[in-house]
Amino acid sequence: QKEVEQDPGPLSVPEGAIVSLNCTYSNSAFQYFMWYRQYSRKGPELLMYTYSSGNKEDGRFTAQVDKSSKYISLFIRDSQPSDSATYLCAMSGGGGSYIPTFGRGTSLIVHP
Amino acid sequence: DAGVIQSPRHEVTEMGQEVTLRCKPISGHDYLFWYRQTMMRGLELLIYFNNNVPIDDSGMPEDRFSAKMPNASFSTLKIQPSEPRDSAVYFCASRTGTRGYTFGSGTRLTVV
Repeated sequence: QKEVEQDPGPLSVPEGAIVSLNCTYSNSAFQYFMWYRQYSRKGPELLMYTYSSGNKEDGRFTAQVDKSSKYISLFIRDSQPSDSATYLCAMSGGGGSYIPTFGRGTSLIVHP
Repeated sequence: DAGVIQSPRHEVTEMGQEVTLRCKPISGHDYLFWYRQTMMRGLELLIYFNNNVPIDDSGMPEDRFSAKMPNASFSTLKIQPSEPRDSAVYFCASRTGTRGYTFGSGTRLTVV
């Protein structure tokens, strides 16, 4: 079992839809959870950063962490064609160098 | 801030040739990372530096790969000799503190 599992997709939705992207993980030591967005032929960019369990909202984006289930989610409201990208989850433990483990990414396509 | 700068953006080389990838991290960031991204394996951490010192190179696939960071503003990743299976996108990223990385735009390497 990989440490971080993420469905590669592609996930295709119509403009305006609510999108749910998810990752599961096996390492209970993970405390820091991140979502990166990667446009085609670009480097990943940090989208959301959360510590421990709970929700964090930023505009149309909400990150949710459920440590008891080892499950994290990213919700995108009112999705736009400009949201079409690959979304990578990443997580790291506390202490040391906080080196994250990345999921392989989910490809999202939002069509007009 | 210009972000993390990588060069070249694209590199096509013949098998057996030496390849050198370059990275300029964000000023003030004390961690620098080299990643490789492929469709099959996703993002793989190759090596990372803290304050110019290599900390963990366990992700470097073979002795053909080497990395240096002679000062806080420059790092190189060298492959000698290159092989077709080295074809991938190579990312440099930098970070300070415990928050997420800032990635460069990557070098797309093709070895023929």
